[in-house]
Amino acid sequence: EIVLTQSPGTLSLSPGARATLSCRASQSVSTSYLAWYQQKPGQAPRLLIYGTSNRATGIPDRFSGSGSGTDFTLIISRLEPEDFAVYYCQQYGSSFTFGPGTKVDIK
Amino acid sequence: QVQLVQSGAEVQKPGASVKVSCRASAYIFTSYGISWVRQAPGQGLEWMGWMSTYNGDTNNAQKFQGRVTLTTDTSTNTAYMELRSLRYDDTAVYYCARSTRYRGRQLIDYWGQGTLVTVSS
Repeated sequence: EIVLTQSPGTLSLSPGARATLSCRASQSVSTSYLAWYQQKPGQAPRLLIYGTSNRATGIPDRFSGSGSGTDFTLIISRLEPEDFAVYYCQQYGSSFTFGPGTKVDIK
Repeated sequence: QVQLVQSGAEVQKPGASVKVSCRASAYIFTSYGISWVRQAPGQGLEWMGWMSTYNGDTNNAQKFQGRVTLTTDTSTNTAYMELRSLRYDDTAVYYCARSTRYRGRQLIDYWGQGTLVTVSS
């Protein structure tokens, strides 16, 4: 099973700041099969990024994804108030696994 | 817009079973799979299994093999997840989610609102 780890566990930033979230896999993941989801309290997750760098429908361009092999990154270029949430990476190339999440909260 | 509407919260005793439903609308049901993901209180996301609504194929996480059954009713565009032999640590929010085929794999793109299942004596 591919294990995903995310860092940091919590990221405390101010609105307007840049957020950099990391996702590391225990073995290589094809760039086609790495996604990011956003989850706000009491809500279901929402797909943000798929195939490492493709934004899902309706996702603003301040969200961007990159990476390859075992290291992947989600960047939020300028945090808006609605972006404070938990972010999960997921691989779907070999079954499905999720990372433990990174919480982005307001500093 | 795509909607997945799940059944309401459940309270079950240890050893019992629970069956959660997920009704899909605004897309062709049999053109997409359905995945099930759970989230224990304050915890992360855990994939449970996937089902093809087209031919009934399933793929369950090893952890749930023998305890979970995924089914669909294409006449009502509804998917079901039954979990048996419930334990206290099965207390969680259970999500259904649409899976779309992307480069030969299943990408989860839309989620239901979640169903809280509480296991309590």
